[in-house]
Amino acid sequence: DVQMTQSPYNLAASPGESVSINCKASKSINKYLAWYQQKPGKANKLLIYDGSSLQSGIPSRFSGSGSGTDFTLTIRSLEPEDFGLYYCQQHNEYPLTFGSGTKLEIK
Amino acid sequence: EVQLVESGGGLVQPGRSLKLSCLASGFTFINYGMNWIRQAPGKGLEWVASISSSSSYIYYADTVKGRFTISRDNAKNTLYLQMTSLRSEDTALYYCGRSNYEVLDAWGQGASVTVSS
Repeated sequence: DVQMTQSPYNLAASPGESVSINCKASKSINKYLAWYQQKPGKANKLLIYDGSSLQSGIPSRFSGSGSGTDFTLTIRSLEPEDFGLYYCQQHNEYPLTFGSGTKLEIK
Repeated sequence: EVQLVESGGGLVQPGRSLKLSCLASGFTFINYGMNWIRQAPGKGLEWVASISSSSSYIYYADTVKGRFTISRDNAKNTLYLQMTSLRSEDTALYYCGRSNYEVLDAWGQGASVTVSS
């Protein structure tokens, strides 16, 4: 199984700042990495797929990069609604596996 | 609008069974693979099972293989998860998810399952 190691576990930032969240796969997953946002009371939201493709309807301040084993989600100019939990997931092979999550909090 | 609504959760004793349902609307159900993903209290997301659009391909996490069965009824736009021999470690919020090449592009709000005596 592909293990996904996500960092940092917690992240505190202020609105307007930029942040990056990292995800490392235990073996190459080519470009097949997705990022999701989780917020209380809302359905989980797909942000990025195929490493860097922006899901329809997601603001362009979200971007993804990487391939092989190392990936990054970057959020530029944080908005108040961006705070929450973020998960990476490899979609290269079964079993599908997720990172452990990053909690993005307001500083 | 794409909607996925899970139902069937509840409190169940260890060793017993429970069946979850997910009613889909707002898209052509037969065109998409579907999945179950769970999240134990205070923990991260764990993929549970996937089923292709025609039910030809089915995959399970090792943690549930042999105990859980994923199925779908395309005429009823409904996904199912039959859970047997439930254990305390199966306690979680169970999400239904639509997949497009193994990317989960739509999620339900989840159904809570608590396994306890």
